[in-house]
Amino acid sequence: DIQMTQSPSSLSASVGDRVTITCRASQGIRNDLGWYQQKPGKAPKRLIYAASSLQSEVPSRFSGSGSGTEFTLTISSLQPEDFATYYCLQYSSFPYTFGQGTKLEIK
Amino acid sequence: EVQLVESGGGLVQPGESLRLACAASGFTFSSNWMSWVRQAPGKGLEWVANIKQDGSEKYYVDSVKGRFTISRDNAQNSLYLQMNSLRAEDTAVYYCARGQWLAHWGQGTLVTVSS
Repeated sequence: DIQMTQSPSSLSASVGDRVTITCRASQGIRNDLGWYQQKPGKAPKRLIYAASSLQSEVPSRFSGSGSGTEFTLTISSLQPEDFATYYCLQYSSFPYTFGQGTKLEIK
Repeated sequence: EVQLVESGGGLVQPGESLRLACAASGFTFSSNWMSWVRQAPGKGLEWVANIKQDGSEKYYVDSVKGRFTISRDNAQNSLYLQMNSLRAEDTAVYYCARGQWLAHWGQGTLVTVSS
C-alpha cells in the first residue's frame, strides 16, 4: 500500500498568512493526488485534483503543486473561513490512502 | 447540482449487519465510478471501497474485504454498502462520493457498533 505522510499535523496561523501543507508519498504516484478541506461536522470538500487543478468555485488563493512523491497545498492569504482540517488523498492505486490530516487553527 | 444523500446508519451490535444506501442526483450516475469513505469519531478519513460504472470492478480496503460488499443500481441512481460481521472498529461516519477521484461527497451517515 502507498503511505501518505502529511505535515505538519497541526498549524497555527493568522488571517492573511501564507500557509503550506506537504504530503509525501511512499512511492511515485505521478500527479494522482487530491486535496480536501473538512470543517467540523461537515463532509470533506475537494479543493484540488490532479495535484494542481483547482476545483470549480474554489477560491484562487488555494493552489497545489508537485508530482511523483512530493506535493504541497498552499493558501496564499488565509481567510477566516479557511480554518479547517486538510487532507491529501492518493488515487494512483488501490487501496486509496489519505494523509493523516493537518488541522489549521487561528493564532 | 450534484446531490448525494446517505441513509441506513444506526446502532448495531457486534456481528450484526447493516446496509447503507446513497441516493444520487444532479449528474449521470451510470457514467461515474462511486466510492465509500469512512471517518471514525475524532479520526481521519479512510477510503473503504470503489465500484466501476457497470459494477464489473470493485475494490476494497483490506480491513473490510470479505465482510463488506459495494453495489449499485444504475436504474435507481443508487449506491449501496452491505456491511456484515460488524465490529466496534467499523464505528464511523460513512460517506459516499462521486467519481473515481472523489469529487463530491454526501453528508454522511453514522454507523455505531456497540453492545
